[in-house]
Amino acid sequence: DVVMTQTPVSLSVAIGQPASISCKSSQSLVGTSGKTYLNWLLQRPGQSPKRLIYLVSKLDSGIPDRFSGSGSETDFTLKISRVEADDLGVYYCLQGTHFPQTFGGGTKLELK
Amino acid sequence: EVKLVESGGGLVQPGRSLKLSCAASGFSFNDYWMGWVRQAPGKGLEWIGEINQDSSTINYTPSLKDKFTISRDNAQNTLYLQMSKLGSEDTAIYYCARARYLDYWGQGVMVTVSS
Repeated sequence: DVVMTQTPVSLSVAIGQPASISCKSSQSLVGTSGKTYLNWLLQRPGQSPKRLIYLVSKLDSGIPDRFSGSGSETDFTLKISRVEADDLGVYYCLQGTHFPQTFGGGTKLELK
Repeated sequence: EVKLVESGGGLVQPGRSLKLSCAASGFSFNDYWMGWVRQAPGKGLEWIGEINQDSSTINYTPSLKDKFTISRDNAQNTLYLQMSKLGSEDTAIYYCARARYLDYWGQGVMVTVSS
């Protein structure tokens, strides 16, 4: 299975400040189609996960452009330009290129 | 609005079986792969498997293949997860999600395996 390693495990950020989460995969996530199936999800406290970003950098509908995704091959990053209170929760990366799909261990974003 | 509502969870004794359902609405159910993901208490997310539109292809994460069976009823817009020989390690919240890229998730249903 592809191992997805997220860092940091937790992150404390003040409102209005930027945040960055790293996700590294144990093998390239470029698929045979040339697409890279790397998603980012947010699980707010007490809620189910919600997808924020797909195909590395494409924002889902309704997701503010404070969020951005980047990366290639095995190294990926989620950035929040200015953290808001609604952003707290656990962020997961997810790869869908290789079977079975696998998630990162999660990064807990807390407000400072 | 896409809506996924799981049901059928609860307390079950070790070794027993349980079947979860996921009622879908707000999209054309029979046009999409569907899948299941679980989350043990305080832990991360684990992909269980997925089923294609006409049930001709069903994929499971290898470690769970002998324990879980995914099925669907397109006439009822419902996804199912049959779980057998349950153990304490199967205690988790079970989510259904629209596959293949998990763009929409249900609210989840809790399954507790305990005597």
